[in-house]
Amino acid sequence: LAKTTQPISMDSYEGQEVNITCSHNNIATNDYITWYQQFPSQGPRFIIQGYKTKVTNEVASLFIPADRKSSTLSLPRVSLSDTAVYYCLVGLSGNTGKLIFGQGTTLQVKP
Amino acid sequence: SAVISQKPSRDICQRGTSLTIQCQVDSQVTMMFWYRQQPGQSLTLIATANQGSEATYESGFVIDKFPISRPNLTFSTLTVSNMSPEDSSIYLCSAPRGGGTEAFFGQGTRLTVV
Repeated sequence: LAKTTQPISMDSYEGQEVNITCSHNNIATNDYITWYQQFPSQGPRFIIQGYKTKVTNEVASLFIPADRKSSTLSLPRVSLSDTAVYYCLVGLSGNTGKLIFGQGTTLQVKP
Repeated sequence: SAVISQKPSRDICQRGTSLTIQCQVDSQVTMMFWYRQQPGQSLTLIATANQGSEATYESGFVIDKFPISRPNLTFSTLTVSNMSPEDSSIYLCSAPRGGGTEAFFGQGTRLTVV
């Protein structure tokens, strides 16, 4: 499974757009990119997954350049409740859910 | 979408004792996974629990310390054996959701060993 590198922490203010970039230089052809969110005292929660270009859902957007060696999670207009740790993972489609977590990015949203 | 129930949610245990953590999924899944999250750290995969066969452990984790049961397709247990304060962590179970790298997680068991 490809290793990922993310910033350890980020600060933002309410209402701003937050972009968290993840590097995965050794991503394999069949790997998908997935982001999870973890609040204190809770298990991680799936946010979004993509393979290439752009994916958008009701929570976030995921931008993946053509070389797929990085990806950017975009959170529009964050609120205090978006304060959490965000994990970027890469892995095979159909890998049955075995996940290898990197260090994650702690996002602190300030009022 | 699947729901995972994990219990206990927390416990304080004496060193040298063992604790069994239960994980129940509301739908059948082929594999379940157990993770450890030490204070302030990321999640580390302990093992993959396969129904009908022995669990597959990651490097650094052994069956004698973390025995796992998987009696059916919706249930698994993880036992933390002969506990020491270093075992104080959050233990989480997960199950795959669809394909790719999607999974559901339980809410975790916060274990404190004194």
